[in-house]
Amino acid sequence: GDSVTQMEGPVTLSEEAFLTINCTYTATGYPSLFWYVQYPGEGLQLLLKATKADDKGSNKGFEATYRKETTSFHLEKGSVQVSDSAVYFCALYPGANSKLTFGKGITLSVRP
Amino acid sequence: NAGVTQTPKFQVLKTGQSMTLQCAQDMNHEYMSWYRQDPGMGLRLIHYSVGAGITDQGEVPNGYNVSRSTTEDFPLRLLSAAPSQTSVYFCASSYSRADSPLHFGNGTRLTVT
Repeated sequence: GDSVTQMEGPVTLSEEAFLTINCTYTATGYPSLFWYVQYPGEGLQLLLKATKADDKGSNKGFEATYRKETTSFHLEKGSVQVSDSAVYFCALYPGANSKLTFGKGITLSVRP
Repeated sequence: NAGVTQTPKFQVLKTGQSMTLQCAQDMNHEYMSWYRQDPGMGLRLIHYSVGAGITDQGEVPNGYNVSRSTTEDFPLRLLSAAPSQTSVYFCASSYSRADSPLHFGNGTRLTVT
Protein backbone atom coordinates (compact mmCIF):
# COMPACT_ATOMS: atom_id res chain seq x y z
CA GLY A 1 0.00 0.00 0.00
CA ASP A 2 0.88 3.67 -0.08
CA SER A 3 3.22 4.81 2.64
CA VAL A 4 5.59 7.54 3.75
CA THR A 5 8.88 7.00 5.57
CA GLN A 6 10.56 9.80 7.45
CA MET A 7 14.04 9.82 8.93
CA GLU A 8 14.31 9.03 12.62
CA GLY A 9 14.46 11.89 15.06
CA PRO A 10 14.68 14.02 17.03
CA VAL A 11 16.92 16.54 15.32
CA THR A 12 18.70 19.30 17.22
CA LEU A 13 20.42 22.13 15.38
CA SER A 14 22.00 25.45 16.21
CA GLU A 15 20.41 28.61 14.87
CA GLU A 16 21.43 29.41 11.26
CA ALA A 17 22.37 25.79 10.55
CA PHE A 18 21.28 24.04 7.33
CA LEU A 19 18.34 21.67 7.68
CA THR A 20 17.50 18.54 5.72
CA ILE A 21 14.68 16.23 6.76
CA ASN A 22 14.39 13.13 4.61
CA CYS A 23 11.11 11.74 3.32
CA THR A 24 10.61 8.87 0.92
CA TYR A 25 7.36 7.42 -0.31
CA THR A 26 5.81 4.32 -1.81
CA ALA A 27 2.86 4.74 -4.13
CA THR A 28 1.49 3.01 -7.19
CA GLY A 29 0.45 6.12 -9.12
CA TYR A 30 1.35 9.79 -9.14
CA PRO A 31 0.65 11.10 -5.66
CA SER A 32 0.62 14.63 -4.36
CA LEU A 33 3.17 15.26 -1.62
CA PHE A 34 2.99 17.56 1.39
CA TRP A 35 4.91 18.80 4.39
CA TYR A 36 2.89 19.76 7.44
CA VAL A 37 4.27 21.46 10.55
CA GLN A 38 2.99 21.26 14.13
CA TYR A 39 4.10 23.99 16.53
CA PRO A 40 3.92 23.26 20.26
CA GLY A 41 0.36 23.06 21.55
CA GLU A 42 -1.20 23.50 18.12
CA GLY A 43 -2.69 21.44 15.34
CA LEU A 44 -0.89 20.71 12.10
CA GLN A 45 -0.74 23.28 9.32
CA LEU A 46 0.30 22.93 5.72
CA LEU A 47 3.86 24.08 5.09
CA LEU A 48 4.22 23.28 1.39
CA LYS A 49 3.07 20.90 -1.30
CA ALA A 50 3.96 19.55 -4.74
CA THR A 51 1.58 17.79 -7.07
CA LYS A 52 3.79 16.40 -9.83
CA ALA A 53 7.32 15.25 -10.52
CA ASP A 54 10.04 17.95 -10.42
CA ASP A 55 7.68 20.45 -8.76
CA LYS A 56 9.28 22.45 -5.98
CA GLY A 57 7.14 23.55 -3.07
CA SER A 58 8.35 26.47 -0.97
CA ASN A 59 7.16 28.49 2.01
CA LYS A 60 8.77 30.40 4.92
CA GLY A 61 12.25 29.62 3.57
CA PHE A 62 11.57 25.89 3.41
CA GLU A 63 11.78 23.99 0.12
CA ALA A 64 11.09 20.46 -1.06
CA THR A 65 11.37 19.00 -4.56
CA TYR A 66 9.24 16.10 -5.79
CA ARG A 67 11.75 13.53 -7.06
CA LYS A 68 10.00 10.68 -8.80
CA GLU A 69 13.22 8.87 -9.73
CA THR A 70 14.21 8.56 -6.07
CA THR A 71 10.61 8.64 -4.68
CA SER A 72 11.64 11.39 -2.31
CA PHE A 73 10.42 14.75 -1.04
CA HIS A 74 13.14 15.96 1.30
CA LEU A 75 12.56 19.17 3.25
CA GLU A 76 15.36 21.76 3.33
CA LYS A 77 16.03 25.16 4.81
CA GLY A 78 19.22 27.10 4.44
CA SER A 79 19.25 28.80 7.84
CA VAL A 80 16.97 27.62 10.63
CA GLN A 81 15.64 29.83 13.40
CA VAL A 82 14.57 29.05 16.96
CA SER A 83 10.99 29.66 15.82
CA ASP A 84 11.27 26.69 13.43
CA SER A 85 11.28 24.32 16.40
CA ALA A 86 8.30 22.05 15.74
CA VAL A 87 7.25 18.60 14.59
CA TYR A 88 7.38 18.09 10.81
CA PHE A 89 5.21 15.56 8.98
CA CYS A 90 5.60 14.36 5.43
CA ALA A 91 2.32 13.26 3.82
CA LEU A 92 1.11 11.66 0.61
CA TYR A 93 -2.20 11.83 -1.22
CA PRO A 94 -2.43 9.00 -3.77
CA GLY A 95 -5.40 10.33 -5.74
CA ALA A 96 -9.18 10.14 -5.98
CA ASN A 97 -11.07 8.12 -3.37
CA SER A 98 -7.97 7.75 -1.23
CA LYS A 99 -6.87 9.20 2.07
CA LEU A 100 -3.99 11.38 3.09
CA THR A 101 -1.23 9.25 4.61
CA PHE A 102 1.14 10.82 7.13
CA GLY A 103 4.65 9.85 8.12
CA LYS A 104 5.45 9.46 11.80
CA GLY A 105 6.76 13.00 12.15
CA ILE A 106 10.11 14.27 13.31
CA THR A 107 10.80 16.75 16.09
CA LEU A 108 13.16 19.60 15.28
CA SER A 109 14.68 21.64 18.08
CA VAL A 110 16.72 24.74 17.22
CA ARG A 111 18.89 26.19 19.95
CA PRO A 112 20.03 29.82 20.02
CA ASN B 1 -11.99 33.75 11.64
CA ALA B 2 -12.31 30.71 13.94
CA GLY B 3 -11.34 27.93 11.49
CA VAL B 4 -11.62 24.51 13.16
CA THR B 5 -12.66 24.57 16.81
CA GLN B 6 -12.29 21.56 19.08
CA THR B 7 -13.65 21.17 22.59
CA PRO B 8 -12.64 20.29 25.22
CA LYS B 9 -8.88 20.87 25.17
CA PHE B 10 -8.28 18.33 27.94
CA GLN B 11 -10.34 15.46 29.31
CA VAL B 12 -9.80 12.70 31.83
CA LEU B 13 -12.12 9.69 31.75
CA LYS B 14 -12.40 6.49 33.72
CA THR B 15 -12.47 3.19 31.87
CA GLY B 16 -15.97 2.48 30.60
CA GLN B 17 -17.17 6.06 30.53
CA SER B 18 -18.46 7.62 27.35
CA MET B 19 -17.99 11.10 25.99
CA THR B 20 -18.20 13.22 22.86
CA LEU B 21 -15.40 15.29 21.41
CA GLN B 22 -16.79 18.28 19.59
CA CYS B 23 -15.52 19.68 16.30
CA ALA B 24 -16.91 22.64 14.39
CA GLN B 25 -15.64 24.50 11.32
CA ASP B 26 -16.83 27.77 9.84
CA MET B 27 -15.19 27.52 6.42
CA ASN B 28 -18.01 25.62 4.68
CA HIS B 29 -15.68 22.67 4.11
CA GLU B 30 -17.24 19.49 2.77
CA TYR B 31 -14.55 17.12 4.02
CA MET B 32 -13.98 16.56 7.75
CA SER B 33 -11.94 13.96 9.57
CA TRP B 34 -10.70 12.78 12.95
CA TYR B 35 -7.14 11.68 13.66
CA ARG B 36 -5.39 10.43 16.74
CA GLN B 37 -1.75 11.23 17.40
CA ASP B 38 0.35 8.85 19.46
CA PRO B 39 4.12 8.93 20.12
CA GLY B 40 6.02 7.08 17.41
CA MET B 41 2.82 6.40 15.44
CA GLY B 42 2.26 9.67 13.66
CA LEU B 43 -1.35 10.51 12.80
CA ARG B 44 -3.88 7.79 12.20
CA LEU B 45 -7.25 8.38 10.59
CA ILE B 46 -10.22 7.33 12.72
CA HIS B 47 -13.29 8.42 10.72
CA TYR B 48 -14.02 10.88 7.97
CA SER B 49 -16.93 12.51 6.17
CA VAL B 50 -17.19 13.85 2.63
CA GLY B 51 -20.37 15.79 3.33
CA ALA B 52 -23.42 16.07 5.56
CA GLY B 53 -25.06 12.70 6.09
CA ILE B 54 -22.02 10.73 4.85
CA THR B 55 -19.40 9.13 7.07
CA ASP B 56 -16.85 6.38 6.60
CA GLN B 57 -14.20 4.52 8.57
CA GLY B 58 -10.52 5.27 8.56
CA GLU B 59 -7.74 2.95 9.64
CA VAL B 60 -8.51 2.83 13.40
CA PRO B 61 -12.31 3.17 13.80
CA ASN B 62 -12.97 0.62 16.55
CA GLY B 63 -14.42 2.13 19.72
CA TYR B 64 -15.46 5.37 18.04
CA ASN B 65 -18.63 6.63 16.38
CA VAL B 66 -19.25 9.72 14.30
CA SER B 67 -22.17 11.51 12.68
CA ARG B 68 -22.43 14.45 10.30
CA SER B 69 -25.86 16.06 10.53
CA THR B 70 -24.61 19.48 9.38
CA THR B 71 -21.74 20.72 7.24
CA GLU B 72 -20.25 22.55 10.22
CA ASP B 73 -20.16 19.88 12.93
CA PHE B 74 -18.46 16.49 13.15
CA PRO B 75 -18.53 15.07 16.71
CA LEU B 76 -16.53 12.01 17.72
CA ARG B 77 -18.08 9.70 20.30
CA LEU B 78 -16.19 7.30 22.52
CA LEU B 79 -18.68 4.61 23.43
CA SER B 80 -16.85 2.94 26.34
CA ALA B 81 -13.45 4.49 26.99
CA ALA B 82 -10.38 2.25 27.30
CA PRO B 83 -6.82 3.13 28.36
CA SER B 84 -5.71 2.38 24.77
CA GLN B 85 -7.71 5.44 23.70
CA THR B 86 -5.44 7.75 25.67
CA SER B 87 -4.19 10.03 22.93
CA VAL B 88 -4.33 13.48 21.37
CA TYR B 89 -7.25 13.81 18.98
CA PHE B 90 -7.31 16.19 16.05
CA CYS B 91 -10.20 17.23 13.87
CA ALA B 92 -9.40 18.47 10.37
CA SER B 93 -11.35 19.81 7.43
CA SER B 94 -10.79 20.74 3.80
CA TYR B 95 -12.75 21.87 0.75
CA SER B 96 -12.72 18.44 -0.80
CA ARG B 97 -11.18 15.03 -0.42
CA ALA B 98 -8.69 15.89 -3.12
CA ASP B 99 -5.32 17.42 -2.37
CA SER B 100 -6.79 20.51 -0.73
CA PRO B 101 -4.89 21.58 2.38
CA LEU B 102 -6.22 20.17 5.62
CA HIS B 103 -7.07 22.70 8.35
CA PHE B 104 -6.56 21.27 11.82
CA GLY B 105 -8.00 22.16 15.19
CA ASN B 106 -5.71 22.53 18.19
CA GLY B 107 -6.47 19.10 19.52
CA THR B 108 -8.04 17.40 22.53
CA ARG B 109 -5.74 15.60 24.96
CA LEU B 110 -7.63 12.63 26.37
CA THR B 111 -6.46 10.47 29.26
CA VAL B 112 -8.32 7.30 30.17
CA THR B 113 -7.49 5.83 33.57
